[in-house]
Amino acid sequence: GDSVTQMEGPVTLSEEAFLTINCTYTATGYPSLFWYVQYPGEGLQLLLKATKADDKGSNKGFEATYRKETTSFHLEKGSVQVSDSAVYFCALEAGGYNKLIFGAGTRLAVHP
Amino acid sequence: DAGVIQSPRHEVTEMGQEVTLRCKPISGHDYLFWYRQTMMRGLELLIYFNNNVPIDDSGMPEDRFSAKMPNASFSTLKIQPSEPRDSAVYFCASGGLAGDEQFFGPGTRLTVL
Repeated sequence: GDSVTQMEGPVTLSEEAFLTINCTYTATGYPSLFWYVQYPGEGLQLLLKATKADDKGSNKGFEATYRKETTSFHLEKGSVQVSDSAVYFCALEAGGYNKLIFGAGTRLAVHP
Repeated sequence: DAGVIQSPRHEVTEMGQEVTLRCKPISGHDYLFWYRQTMMRGLELLIYFNNNVPIDDSGMPEDRFSAKMPNASFSTLKIQPSEPRDSAVYFCASGGLAGDEQFFGPGTRLTVL
């Protein structure tokens, strides 16, 4: 079945460091891919998405490129801030039914 | 729009009691989802509705769990009887077109003693 695998956390970085959170997926067909972010005490919110191969999603300085050949959708940010501390979830939607399959989540902690 | 509204935000109950969680989706959204989040299992989809009709309930863990959507603006998730292992944060989310963003509510933190 369809699945998403994320790098395990927690990831701890200093402010202004470069961030990469790895995400790979297994799916039949051509899924849409998403990154959601969950700040402490809140629900998830969409960070970015890509709907087809080679698409790049971007938002708030975060980027991810849909790589069909490596079945990956890694999240990157050039310079993280303390306010980026949160849990990040990679997800895929396949079959056109709006049903998302989430990875386990990666906790990011950014220190001043 | 106020976003997805869930109530209560926190619920503490004793084993064996009935628990009802409530959700009001964003107006105009055709899809409604119920998720459960725990440290051990992460984020799990329990059930989702399209136009008030349950489409996939394969994630509902047991017959103790049931969900309804009597109209486009209201859904409930009921646990009867509740057990300590049901303790988790339960999220409701709504969405428009398939493949589009899902909007999550703030969640209900359930503790079953």
